[in-house]
Formats: sequence, structure tokens, C-alpha cells
Amino acid sequence: NAGVTQTPKFRVLKTGQSMTLLCAQDMNHEYMYWYRQDPGMGLRLIHYSVGEGTTAKGEVPDGYNVSRLKKQNFLLGLESAAPSQTSVYFCASSYSWAWSNQPQHFGDGTRLSIL
Amino acid sequence: EDKVVQSPLSLVVHEGDTVTLNCSYEVTNFRSLLWYKQEKKAPTFLFMLTSSGIEKKSGRLSSILDKKELFSILNITATQTGDSAVYLCGLHGSGNTGKLIFGQGTTLQVKP
Repeated sequence: NAGVTQTPKFRVLKTGQSMTLLCAQDMNHEYMYWYRQDPGMGLRLIHYSVGEGTTAKGEVPDGYNVSRLKKQNFLLGLESAAPSQTSVYFCASSYSWAWSNQPQHFGDGTRLSIL
Repeated sequence: EDKVVQSPLSLVVHEGDTVTLNCSYEVTNFRSLLWYKQEKKAPTFLFMLTSSGIEKKSGRLSSILDKKELFSILNITATQTGDSAVYLCGLHGSGNTGKLIFGQGTTLQVKP
């Protein structure tokens, strides 16, 4: 009964370092999303994917890259971390919206600090 | 540009009180509006609203949508300390991507 699992849960990076956040879902969802959450700003969409091998930009994509090589996994990469990327990152997934509206299911988040 | 504004941003009440949280929006093509509750970690889904005037209800929580005046409300009756959380409103506009635009969230604290 895992749902959406994010790895790691916490990470501290130095400016300029790179890292990858992993999101895995076991619900056979077609759609996956990466958000960041900052105080007073709600959730903002970084990138999303509507199927294996496809990705698209959200509201705040700069400084991030993503890949969806397998249906169950969605990776978020920071090539050169900056202090402005200090945030809590949430991954979410849902069934396809092609035929009906679907709620998104969220992971527990990754708290990332860039020094 | 689609936009979601929640009010109030924070609220402190005592157990047993009734609260009403507001979500107003601007959208080019409306598809649905979703409410989530966020405690320590993952936001959890509460309601999805697509039609005006039809109340969704789950226990002490209820929600309704007004597509003419472009807002939704989330009501919580007989509040309990376990209702303390951030409540998020998300808007889905046109297309089949499922992308949500979220408001800032309302932080609710329920005191014993």
C-alpha cells in the first residue's frame, strides 16, 4: 500500500552541486507531477508528464530537468543547485484526464536545503 | 492567466467552532476545482467539484462551487484539534494534462 514514494526525504547540498530526486508510484498512474512548496506560496508546478517518455514544463521549470523512462518513476534533477531552490518538493500522480477528472495523489515530500 | 486566491491565509478557532474557507479563481476554461488537506506531510484529497450548487459532503466537511461568481467554500463544522492543517485549493483549467494551479493555502489552527 505504498502509493507515491519519494527518495530521499531530506538532503542538504552546497551551491553548485547536482542531485536527483526520485518519485515512484505503484498505482499504474499515467500522469506524474513535480511541485515545490515555499512558505506562503502554495504548491507550484515544476514539470509534469502525461506518459512514459514524455515531459513538459510547468509554472517554474528553470533550473530543473526531468525524465520519465519508466511509467512508475519520475525523476527531478538539479544540475547546479542554487540557494533559491531550497524548498520542499512534492511528487504527485493521477490516472489519465483524457476521459474524466482525476485527483492527484501526493508523496510525503523531500525537504531540500541549498547552502 | 489562471489564478487562485484563498482566504483567509490563517485562522485560529476553538474546538466546536464552525469555519468557512474561501477559494476564488480566475480561469479561461474551467474543468474542476479540488480541495486538499495538508498536515505534516503529503496533501490528501478531500473533494473535487465540477458543477455549481452541488454540495459535496464528508462527515463534518462540506464544499460547494459557484461557477457564476467564481468561488468555492469549504465548511468544517464542530471543529476538532485534528482539523488543524493547511487547506489547499487547486484549479484545473482546460486540456487533459491534469495540471493544477494552487492557491496559497489557508492555515487552520484549532485550539482545545
